[in-house]
Formats: sequence, structure tokens, C-alpha cells
Amino acid sequence: QVQLQESGPGLVKPSETLSLTCTVSGVSISPYYWSWVRQPPGKGLEWIGYVYYSGSTYYNPSLKSRVTISVDTSKNQFSLHLTSLTAADTAVYYCARRRDLDYWGQGTLVTVSS
Amino acid sequence: DVVMTQSPLSLPATLGQPASISCRSSQSLVHTNGNTYLNWFQQRPGQSPRRLFYEVSKRDSGVPDRFSGSGSATDFTLRISRVEAEDVGVYHCMQGIPPFAFGQGTRLEI
Repeated sequence: QVQLQESGPGLVKPSETLSLTCTVSGVSISPYYWSWVRQPPGKGLEWIGYVYYSGSTYYNPSLKSRVTISVDTSKNQFSLHLTSLTAADTAVYYCARRRDLDYWGQGTLVTVSS
Repeated sequence: DVVMTQSPLSLPATLGQPASISCRSSQSLVHTNGNTYLNWFQQRPGQSPRRLFYEVSKRDSGVPDRFSGSGSATDFTLRISRVEAEDVGVYHCMQGIPPFAFGQGTRLEI
């Protein structure tokens, strides 16, 4: 069955860059779209962006200047990089399959604090 | 960009009784290909979101048929015909024409 697992640091300092990886199992990265979504504690969901298996991307305009999503088909993984972090970026970060988000990872809490 | 507005934000429900959640978009979600891209997700306490419906009313595998999705263009509804205890959680709508956007979420409690 399709499984997604986020991995990365749980604590990052302000102004630094967040790097998360989503490892996909049970299905090939090709030929799908792969997405990132986040949820600040106690708040709603925010769409971050997606990457196609070919590498093309689309980002939330509010985050576009700080976000990069990439894919590594050889490892069946895709990644999120978010720069210039502030406390407002503290959230549970989810990876998901497709643009309509049919399968989700369990999420990983990232706290931005010095 | 499209703004999604859900109501109510808090929904006290009664076991065995119906419940409904409204989701409105600031622009039509009908794509040029004729499809309407509106998804519904359920997020139980402490869990990841789970998709219930895509393209308004297409039910995902394993979703009980007491759940239904309906609507068109800018006005959409998620209905539960008979609320059960396992339905407690937050329900999110999401428009699927880039850039995507979620509603604020509706918390259903018994």
C-alpha cells in the first residue's frame, strides 16, 4: 500500500533553512504529483506547493520566495526547503501524493525557536 | 487567488442525527476541462487528514455512504446523514485549481 514518511529536524533556529524529506513506499514516484501541506498548532491547513515527477513545480504565492520542492526518483523521495524561517513557520509539515492529496504522511512537527 | 470560506466553524452534532458543512469559494471551481475541483478531508484528533471526496462528490474508498458531497461552481456541502462517534474531528474543504487553498476547517463535536 502507499505510504509516505516525513523526516527532518524537529527544531530549527530563526533565519535558518528547513529541509524535510518525504520517503515514498508502495508506489513509484513516477508518474505522480507530490505535495507539501503544513498546519500550525491549533490552526487550519496551508498548502505549500507541489512537484511533478519530472521536476516541474508550483508554489503557494505567499511562500514562493522562500520555498523549493524537488524530487529524487532514484531514491523515491521528494523534498521541501524553506528559507529564512520565523516563528510563524512552526507547524506540522505533511507530505502527500497528487495534487488532490489522496495519501498523506503522518506529519512531522517543526518548531522554529532559538 | 481563490478564498475558501467554511461554515459553521464549530458544529455541535447529535448521534444519529444529520449534520452538514458549507464551503464557499470566491471564484468558480469549474476548470476549463469541465471538471469541478473541490475536495473534502476529515482530520480526526491526533491524526493526519484523510481525503473523503474529490471533484465534489467522488467518494474515496472506505468512506461510509452516510457521507455525501454535493454542490457546484462556488457553493458546496458535506453532509453526514447520521452522525456517529467516530465522525468527531475537523473537516476541511480545499479548492483544487492552482494555487490551491483550504477553508478554515469545521470542528464537529458530539
